Amino acid sequence: EVQLVEFGGGLVQPGGSLRLSCVGSGFTFSNYWMTWVRQAPGKGPEWVANIKHDGSEKYYVDSLKGRFTISRDNAQNSLYLQMNSLRVEDTAVYYCARLYCDTPLCQKVYFQQWGQGTLVTVSS
Amino acid sequence: DIQMTQSPSSLSASVGDRVTITCRASQDIGNFLGWFQQKPGKAPKSLIYAVSTLQAGVPSKFRGSGSGTDFTLTISSLRPEDFATYYCQQYYNYPLTFGGGTKVEVK
Repeated sequence: EVQLVEFGGGLVQPGGSLRLSCVGSGFTFSNYWMTWVRQAPGKGPEWVANIKHDGSEKYYVDSLKGRFTISRDNAQNSLYLQMNSLRVEDTAVYYCARLYCDTPLCQKVYFQQWGQGTLVTVSS
Repeated sequence: DIQMTQSPSSLSASVGDRVTITCRASQDIGNFLGWFQQKPGKAPKSLIYAVSTLQAGVPSKFRGSGSGTDFTLTISSLRPEDFATYYCQQYYNYPLTFGGGTKVEVK
């Protein structure tokens, strides 16, 4: 069974940093693109970043470039999101999800399984 | 960025009803569209990709259609477990974007 479990959420002060982790099991982690999506309270999902299966390509929503960094360690079946200079508006549940390629060279990737999410609260 | 607009934002229906949700993209996205279901306090669940292909384990009561800029999700024979919020999402290009959601409520 495919499982994705996020860790690392919590309460952090504005300007602080946090590193989220997502551990995958039940599939060959190194074969899949992965993603982070966040959802602020009462809002819809917002895509954050994608990373290629080998980590060689990364894509970000423009509004978070420079503050958030996606990475992965395939040996540990782990996906990460380093979040710096956190703001109150970054408060959200952060989900990792597995992606699947809808085109041969993975120019288009769609969501498959999602983790249960981890809550990040930015507040003083 | 591609804007995804869903309508209605909410609807009321009864068990056994068929409902249709509409999603419009601000530009042609081909068939690179997915649909998700989300229940309160839970993670989104992937239902459909490529406009009309069901994800593994998703029942055929969910049907997606459309192309280009206009898409629909139809849910037939509503069951209690189908009352949830539904989102469309384009993966034609970056940034990936979601619709605002449609909440399907009990009448």
